[in-house]
Parts: sequence; structure tokens; C-alpha cells
Amino acid sequence: AQSVTQLDSQVPVFEEAPVELRCNYSSSVSVYLFWYVQYPNQGLQLLLKYLSGSTLVESINGFEAEFNKSQTSFHLRKPSVHISDTAEYFCAVSDRYSGAGSYQLTFGKGTKLSVIP
Amino acid sequence: SQTIHQWPATLVQPVGSPLSLECTVEGTSNPNLYWYRQAAGRGLQLLFYSVGIGQISSEVPQNLSASRPQDRQFILSSKKLLLSDSGFYLCAWSVIGGAGEKLFFGSGTQLSVL
Repeated sequence: AQSVTQLDSQVPVFEEAPVELRCNYSSSVSVYLFWYVQYPNQGLQLLLKYLSGSTLVESINGFEAEFNKSQTSFHLRKPSVHISDTAEYFCAVSDRYSGAGSYQLTFGKGTKLSVIP
Repeated sequence: SQTIHQWPATLVQPVGSPLSLECTVEGTSNPNLYWYRQAAGRGLQLLFYSVGIGQISSEVPQNLSASRPQDRQFILSSKKLLLSDSGFYLCAWSVIGGAGEKLFFGSGTQLSVL
């Protein structure tokens, strides 16, 4: 069985400071890795994903995550955060086939990022 | 474009009452459909998924059931709610054959069972 651990439930950070949201996973097989973001009063949105190839993946709003197989980690980073980045961030892993070409996601408990002006 | 509708946004129900949450998807055909739940202090948990009309798979035994009466409609139900059913429920869809690379989520229903 797979599992996802997000060690930090809340991360406060000042505006324009760097941030790292940690994610570790456990799985006995190869995995796909995802970061989702939930802004206040909105649904979940995919932020970025790792499927194969380069271990460093980037999103359009400046976030990046690096897949580290030896450490079974997929930490999310941003060099300079903005107020608008305040949201809850979920790490997810998929290694299970649910039929018809689709996979099921296992999510972490989430990390609430609060950007302080 | 594809859209997903989930309602109601918030719901307060007494213990022992029935439940019906509805989710519909527009702009796509034959989607995979999912119900997730986020209980307080816990991560998202997959409850049910469906790869077609009338085809429902349950991930965890519980007080809830799901049905898919139409291709783009997914309903989450309970005959008698428990306090432990409180939580944030999310409906999601993905395209069959898309390798499950991306899930599209609804805006969620906050259910409080009192």
C-alpha cells in the first residue's frame, strides 16, 4: 500500500521569502507524483506533476518540485512567495490502476501556507 | 470546455437523516468519476470511483453508497448519517484513456452532521 506524508500542517512565511513544503511517500512500485492546491473557497487544482523524465518539474506560477527517488520525496519550493500563494497544498501519489487507463490518487493531509505581508 | 458541478456547497444534517450529494460533469463523455472525503485533520480519502454507468467500486467500507444513473452524473448517498460522516466531500472526474494524469475536482460540499 502506498502512503503520503506531509510533515508540516501549517507553514507561515513572510512575503517575498522562500518556502519549501515537504512531501514524502512510500510505495513498493514506481509512482506518479502530484501537487494540488486549494485556494480559499475554491476546489482543488493541479499545480504540477511528475510522470517520468526530468526529476525537476515546474508550474506556471513559479513553484517547482523535485522527485528524489532515493529519499522518496517530492518537496515543493518557491524562491519568493506572494500573498496570492496563500492556500492549502496537497501532495498526492498514484501507483494504482483503476481501469480504463486511469489511476487513483492517495493524498497527504495537506499543508496550509500562510503568506504574511 | 469541461465543467464539473457539485452541490450543495454546505449542508447541515442531523444524525440519522438521509444524504444525497450530486455531481454532474459537462463537456466530456465517458469520464471516470470519483468521490473523495477530507475529514478534519486528515488527508483526502478515496471513497468511490466509477468507470461507467452502473459501475461502482468502493474503496473503504462505510455508511455511504454511490450511484451513477447517467454517464455524467454521480451521486453520493446515505440512508442514515453518522457523526463520523462529517467532512468535506469532493467529486472529481478524469478522462478514460488519459492515464489518470489529471483529476478535475468540484468545489466541494462541507457536510456537518449534528
